[in-house]
Amino acid sequence: EADIYQTPRYLVIGTGKKITLECSQTMGHDKMYWYQQDPGMELHLIHYSYGVNSTEKGDLSSESTVSRIRTEHFPLTLESARPSHTSQYLCASGGSMGYTFGSGTRLTVV
Amino acid sequence: GQQLNQSPQSMFIQEGEDVSMNCTSSSIFNTWLWYKQDPGEGPVLLIALYKAGELTSNGRLTAQFGITRKDSFLNISASIPSDVGIYFCAGRNYGGSQGNLIFGKGTKLSVKP
Repeated sequence: EADIYQTPRYLVIGTGKKITLECSQTMGHDKMYWYQQDPGMELHLIHYSYGVNSTEKGDLSSESTVSRIRTEHFPLTLESARPSHTSQYLCASGGSMGYTFGSGTRLTVV
Repeated sequence: GQQLNQSPQSMFIQEGEDVSMNCTSSSIFNTWLWYKQDPGEGPVLLIALYKAGELTSNGRLTAQFGITRKDSFLNISASIPSDVGIYFCAGRNYGGSQGNLIFGKGTKLSVKP
């Protein structure tokens, strides 16, 4: 079944640690996106990709980085996590019908 | 950049009541979409609209693509407790923003049993 998967669902990590949030989709979509969302708040686009080796920064400045080496995989990395990075991170892939979102990773940096 | 104005920001209603929310834009969109986000989950697509004036239903949900192509509304009839969540409108204009969806800020719906 075509879907989009994010791991981990929850992550609590100490300040200064390097983390990678995983996102994979099986729909063959070229376009993929990362959004940052505080609980109950609006969606902020932080990164997107139009295909392999394509990455762009979104509307909200973020200290995270992304890579797109394979169509199905779009990981997000924080080199040195800080408490200000505490948030929910949502991955999405885009088809002709709109975006399909993953379930998100809830990140807490202590 | 393009922005969507979504209203209301939040709603507190009694179970069984009807709900109406809308989105407006200063730009023309070719596509309007409505998503629902349950607590702790990612948004899920409810309804997609592709033609000006189009009226589409999905169960108790009805959405319309405004005739000016600058607005859309979503109605929920006879609300139930599981309707609780955040509803996002999204618009797309292939001529601008590189085809990316523009999202509204969301309408937070609370339903009292």
